[in-house]
Amino acid sequence: GAVVSQHPSRVICKSGTSVKIECRSLDFQATTMFWYRQFPKQSLMLMATSNEGSKATYEQGVEKDKFLINHASLTLSTLTVTSAHPEDSSFYICSGTIAGGGDTQYFGPGTRLTVL
Amino acid sequence: GNSVTQMEGPVTLSEEAFLTINCTYTATGYPSLFWYVQYPGEGLQLLLKATKADDKGSNKGFEATYRKETTSFHLEKGSVQVSDSAVYFCALSDWSEYGNKLVFGAGTILRVKS
Repeated sequence: GAVVSQHPSRVICKSGTSVKIECRSLDFQATTMFWYRQFPKQSLMLMATSNEGSKATYEQGVEKDKFLINHASLTLSTLTVTSAHPEDSSFYICSGTIAGGGDTQYFGPGTRLTVL
Repeated sequence: GNSVTQMEGPVTLSEEAFLTINCTYTATGYPSLFWYVQYPGEGLQLLLKATKADDKGSNKGFEATYRKETTSFHLEKGSVQVSDSAVYFCALSDWSEYGNKLVFGAGTILRVKS
């Protein structure tokens, strides 16, 4: 149980375009979802926390106008990288917590974004 | 702020060897502590957790004890297998009004040779 999927798993785009990444909780309702970024050989850095039906809370240094997060339902959150540039190339990972299920986060498999 | 430090890898062991991956933390309050594992090509999976001092988390032969006096949560396994090869992340929970954030260590690559 507690499976999270991400789509796409890999995406390559041209500089200046926007890319949307979907994160779905397949067998549970996720009242809170998290978006992380992972650079090669580095740890996960939290970008933002999103609660269903409300605006996302961004970590310091993360541009909210560049990384648009929508958590429209209890099973879906999306991250849109707007006007992507090569420095946005990274591994993006989402996670969710089960409503009333404590502090354990369940992670998706990640999305590899490459901006040319 | 809260932080997690874990030993650098890669750690290379022979099958059936004893494993220790060190993890220490800095935190205000009393966070929950976690070990997550990332197998090649997969997402992070919760391996074990402990929610208070002296708690021992265990799963699949791995265990870790929450040591408040040394602010540590070292991961151990008595006999590793090739299938344990993965990246291991130590993390702590950081409560906020918006949700329970996780603060991760840098990750430790474990390679087990047959």
